[in-house]
Amino acid sequence: DIQMTQSPSSVSASVGDRVTITCRASQGISTWLAWYQQKPGNTPKLLISAASSLQSGVPSRFSGSGSGTDFTLTISSLQPEDFATYYCQQIKSFPITFGQGTRLEIK
Amino acid sequence: QLHLQESGPGLVKPSETLSLTCTVSGGSISSSNYYWGWIRQPQGKGLEWIGSLHYTGNTFYNPSLRSRVTISVDTSKNQFSLKLSSVTAADTAVYYCARRGNTSGFAYAYWGQGTLVTVSS
Repeated sequence: DIQMTQSPSSVSASVGDRVTITCRASQGISTWLAWYQQKPGNTPKLLISAASSLQSGVPSRFSGSGSGTDFTLTISSLQPEDFATYYCQQIKSFPITFGQGTRLEIK
Repeated sequence: QLHLQESGPGLVKPSETLSLTCTVSGGSISSSNYYWGWIRQPQGKGLEWIGSLHYTGNTFYNPSLRSRVTISVDTSKNQFSLKLSSVTAADTAVYYCARRGNTSGFAYAYWGQGTLVTVSS
């Protein structure tokens, strides 16, 4: 199985801050990586696929980068609605695996 | 707009079989472009991929659950189903059905609302 490791596990930030979340794969996955946002009590929402492709309707302050084993999700200027848990996911091979999640909290 | 809806018992006894159905509306389950899957999330924990299938019947399971999981499709009803046998308290979770395909880089772009299944006697 490909293990996905996110860091940090949690981060506190303020509205307007720039935040970066990192995801590392235990083996190369090219750009077969997605990022999801999940708010408490809600369904995960796909933000980014193919490592850097922003989904329709997702604000441009979100961006993704990376290939191989190292990936980042960046939020350029945090908004109140961005406080949530973020998951990376590899879809290079079965079983599909997720990172453990990064909880983004208000400072 | 595609809509997925999970249904099934919210309470299952230990050692019994958990059975859930996902009903798809607003699109056909019989599209070669998409895979239909199940993902679960224990309360307060992360996401775990259970498995997925293609409408042709090809299935892919998480090895950690493979011996207990069956995912099947009923194209006539535009539904797919999950069966998880010999459940224990560790299988208590919110279960989501979802769709992935080539229009979303094969990531899960559409999700059901999720259904909580509790394993308890």
